[in-house]
Amino acid sequence: EADIYQTPRYLVIGTGKKITLECSQTMGHDKMYWYQQDPGMELHLIHYSYGVNSTEKGDLSSESTVSRIRTEHFPLTLESARPSHTSQYLCASSKFHRGPDTEAFFGQGTRLTVV
Amino acid sequence: KQEVTQIPAALSVPEGENLVLNCSFTDSAIYNLQWFRQDPGKGLTSLLLIQSSQREQTSGRLNASLDKSSGRSTLYIAASQPGDSATYLCAVRRPWQAQGGSEKLVFGKGTKLTVNP
Repeated sequence: EADIYQTPRYLVIGTGKKITLECSQTMGHDKMYWYQQDPGMELHLIHYSYGVNSTEKGDLSSESTVSRIRTEHFPLTLESARPSHTSQYLCASSKFHRGPDTEAFFGQGTRLTVV
Repeated sequence: KQEVTQIPAALSVPEGENLVLNCSFTDSAIYNLQWFRQDPGKGLTSLLLIQSSQREQTSGRLNASLDKSSGRSTLYIAASQPGDSATYLCAVRRPWQAQGGSEKLVFGKGTKLTVNP
């Protein structure tokens, strides 16, 4: 079983609030990812990181930001939440950067509702 | 642009039935294909990883096949149980030209499986 944890699992918050979604993994993986998933839709990559102090934007534009100060921790922050940010956010990690052995492991997700 | 299609979108079967879920992808230049299970409101659980050079992988009652040249993968579930009810997602790992040298996972929308007791 994958050891990747997300908190909180559910969050209901008012418009304009600053929020941070936490993601931690204990597998020592260098590569970590954030995906966004709307109901019934595909997962889309919004951020990824190759390692400490490395962060890149994914292929779905997002107003969120991320940081990678420690290998095991990859938090996502929204400075000012809006109803359009309502979605499920999924964190993932993988041991390798590339190649056929690269397997992604996911956390339980955070379901965010902005009212 | 790589697209991943999963058919059917939803499937309801009686307990004990063997079933097949389908996944097709438009670009055969993939590194691997991963099948996931997602329970309602939860994250993804990795079921099987098939490398591009492999034809199939098995885990318990699950068997996944890959035909890279035709852009198809199937997930076979034997003797289905109510506990198998979930959404099954297929994802291909492919080169990401826009981020030179990197890769990305491209997901399908999933097949929602219901196994009735």
